[in-house]
Amino acid sequence: EDKVVQSPLSLVVHEGDTVTLNCSYEVTNFRSLLWYKQEKKAPTFLFMLTSSGIEKKSGRLSSILDKKELFSILNITATQTGDSAVYLCAPGSNFGNEKLTFGTGTRLTIIP
Amino acid sequence: GAGVSQSPSNKVTEKGKDVELRCDPISGHTALYWYRQSLGQGLEFLIYFQGNSAPDKSGLPSDRFSAERTGGSVSTLTIQRTQQEDSAVYLCASSSGLVRNEQFFGPGTRLTVL
Repeated sequence: EDKVVQSPLSLVVHEGDTVTLNCSYEVTNFRSLLWYKQEKKAPTFLFMLTSSGIEKKSGRLSSILDKKELFSILNITATQTGDSAVYLCAPGSNFGNEKLTFGTGTRLTIIP
Repeated sequence: GAGVSQSPSNKVTEKGKDVELRCDPISGHTALYWYRQSLGQGLEFLIYFQGNSAPDKSGLPSDRFSAERTGGSVSTLTIQRTQQEDSAVYLCASSSGLVRNEQFFGPGTRLTVL
């Protein structure tokens, strides 16, 4: 059975701080890991990582995948109140075209 | 273009009643997924449609749950004889079905079973 563990479960920081969110996984035939941001209901896509050691960047957000140690991290620098959300990771075996197993997420709260 | 839409946005029903939840995927997307999210929990996969292939129903929690997708577009998730533990947000997603693409989520339907 596929397993996804995210940590911490929740995190409260001040605006401007840098945060690191963790995702460890055990997935049969792993091929990709997706990160989503969920502010209210609909998760919105952030990154898809497929190769170990590749760092994806989008502005203040970056993510790294370690396929040997089976984990990924999501970094957010210079946090803003708009970063407050639940961050979900989902490893998969078909580059997103499959049922995804999501972690329970990390609830990030940015204090102004 | 328009994103994934779902209706209703909220549904309150009494235990034992049947409910139908609707999902309109992004036009042209061949893959459609249903997930549910209980309070404080991650997303739980329910069912997956890909083109004309038989759906992957492996996530449906009981035979009270069923889903169909008509004409390769709109999908309806039906829950019969609802129970209080069915209360959750039901999320639909679609993807293009091409290699390396993400799933786009709708706003969800919040189901409350009294």
